Amino acid sequence: ETGVTQSPTHLIKTRGQQVTLRCSSQSGHNTVSWYQQALGQGPQFIFQYYREEENGRGNFPPRFSGLQFPNYSSELNVNALELDDSALYLCASSSGSGEGYTFGSGTRLTVV
Amino acid sequence: RKEVEQDPGPFNVPEGATVAFNCTYSNSASQSFFWYRQDCRKEPKLLMSVYSSGNEDGRFTAQLNRASQYISLLIRDSKLSDSATYLCVVNSRNSGYALNFGKGTSLLVTP
Repeated sequence: ETGVTQSPTHLIKTRGQQVTLRCSSQSGHNTVSWYQQALGQGPQFIFQYYREEENGRGNFPPRFSGLQFPNYSSELNVNALELDDSALYLCASSSGSGEGYTFGSGTRLTVV
Repeated sequence: RKEVEQDPGPFNVPEGATVAFNCTYSNSASQSFFWYRQDCRKEPKLLMSVYSSGNEDGRFTAQLNRASQYISLLIRDSKLSDSATYLCVVNSRNSGYALNFGKGTSLLVTP
């Protein structure tokens, strides 16, 4: 059984650019959620996808968007990057019942 | 006010000590409760779920008080390998089961 994999592991972007982060969910999981973790903070919920539809969103602006594909993998897109977007971005997959979240090792994004 | 509040920490304790972490949550509709552990620059990993009746896993004991909206984690006989950040997490069906994390409490166990 493969776990959650994220790519890339590290990324440096310039303010104003756009970025796409990728996540492959754990086998058998149909729900993917994304979290942003700034230094010294707990992860903050960005949004969640269930069967290719967004079914929950945290307090993030529209320039944070996502997709989920038929194989349940997912992308997080961030447009017009700002310095405060520098963080660890975590993807978690689950079976959608509220238990059993598995996190990927994250993508560390630095915006300069 | 954040939905999930934790002890500010950090906690520095000697090996063998008992340490307790506390957490409060504001959403009375919260349904599931967890403690996650996060090592430096790594992803969070589930330590244990927390049930109303309280539950124990080896040296770790978790308690939930729904009336007070309070969650606790007790670690007995601390080991050096327990050094990490402990995250209190809640979720609810009406938020699509999205995980709501506290800020985390840092624990350093010293020889």
